[in-house]
Amino acid sequence: DPKIIQKPKYLVAVTGSEKILICEQYLGHNAMYWYRQSAKKPLEFMFSYSYQKLMDNQTASSRFQPQSSKKNHLDLQITALKPDDSATYFCASSQDSNNQAPLFGEGTRLSVL
Amino acid sequence: QQQVRQSPQSLTVWEGETAILNCSYEDSTFDYFPWYWQFPRESPALLIAIRPVSNKKEDGRFTIFFNKREKKLSLHITDSQPGDSATYFCAASASSGSWQLIFGSGTQLTVMP
Repeated sequence: DPKIIQKPKYLVAVTGSEKILICEQYLGHNAMYWYRQSAKKPLEFMFSYSYQKLMDNQTASSRFQPQSSKKNHLDLQITALKPDDSATYFCASSQDSNNQAPLFGEGTRLSVL
Repeated sequence: QQQVRQSPQSLTVWEGETAILNCSYEDSTFDYFPWYWQFPRESPALLIAIRPVSNKKEDGRFTIFFNKREKKLSLHITDSQPGDSATYFCAASASSGSWQLIFGSGTQLTVMP
């Protein structure tokens, strides 16, 4: 059974709309992350959270907002979607501090038309 | 600025040969280097990792060689198998400062039977 659950697996959206990508982990990890993978930029770091606090943000656009309602949840809200946002979004987690190799979820494949 | 570089972009070897994948980095504060592999339509998975206290890390057929002075490392896959065909990503992070894991652009390995 997957220990990091991402929903949905596939998502099609229209330009200008808003979507929320869901991530829950059942590994007891304290750190969670979002990464994005596209043909243009393989495995690009977006955000890191530790104990529900934002630790690092490398996403230039405020259209991307992580949301952590519980320690094992880290959702990603994307507003005003653009075709360039089309990518696979991976949620990941690690035990706690940085300098650990995170475990990746199965990803949400987003297509923006 | 690309902080982690990988070469070659793609590599084809015959079954039984040794595949050598190269990685170099810019930031001298990087002190943790995991390698991930990714199969088509799957998420990246940790393969092997090294910290600079050692210049070699071995796990079965997979060996990382690390050269701190030249800021280079390489992944050697001995007795390559068709099942090793995947994209391999070198990554790096620093124990101080940013929480992000920086990925290279990957090497696509094909092992011919």
